[in-house]
Amino acid sequence: EIVLTQSPDTLSLSPGERATLSCRASQSVSSNYLAWYQQKPGQAPRLLIHGASNRATGIPDRFSGSGSGTDFTLTISRLEPEDVAVYYCQEYGGSPPGNTFGQGTKLEIK
Amino acid sequence: EVQLLESGGGLVQPGGSLRLSCAASGFTFPFYAMSWVRQAPGKGLEWVSAISGSGGTTHYADSVKGRFTISRDNSKNSLYLQMDSLRAEDTAVYYCARDLTIYRMLNSFDYWGLGTLVTVSS
Repeated sequence: EIVLTQSPDTLSLSPGERATLSCRASQSVSSNYLAWYQQKPGQAPRLLIHGASNRATGIPDRFSGSGSGTDFTLTISRLEPEDVAVYYCQEYGGSPPGNTFGQGTKLEIK
Repeated sequence: EVQLLESGGGLVQPGGSLRLSCAASGFTFPFYAMSWVRQAPGKGLEWVSAISGSGGTTHYADSVKGRFTISRDNSKNSLYLQMDSLRAEDTAVYYCARDLTIYRMLNSFDYWGLGTLVTVSS
């Protein structure tokens, strides 16, 4: 079973800055089946990125995903106050069949 | 507009049972695999179970295997989670979620419900 480790646990940046969030897998993620979600307080998660680098419908191009194998990155350029949230990565191609989430990175805006 | 609406949560004693429902609308329900994902208070996301569009294939997290049963009724556009032998550690908000692409299980999830809270406590 793949274990996903996200870093940092908390990230505090100013509006307009660039955020770089990391997700490292304990073994290679097949076919880059790696997704990123944003969860704002009191809300359900929202899909941002799937297939490691494909933006979901309606997601601004400030959000981008990259990486392959065991190392993946979510980049948020030009941070806005509304980006305050917890961000989760998810792997969905591993064995045994199932889904695994990382522990989350909390993004704070100064 | 795609909508998922969970119901059935509540307070239950340890060892008890509860059945969650998720009413789906705005899309062709049988085309999509569906999952349940839970979130304990103040904690991260944990995938619980998935079911194929036809209902013929199911998968479970080890933490719930043998205690929870996922099912669906495509004639009613509804997803269910029967939860038996509940434990305190099952306390969480339970979300139903739709797979991103049709005809494929164990995907990323593009639509989520608002969730229903299950509290297991004496």
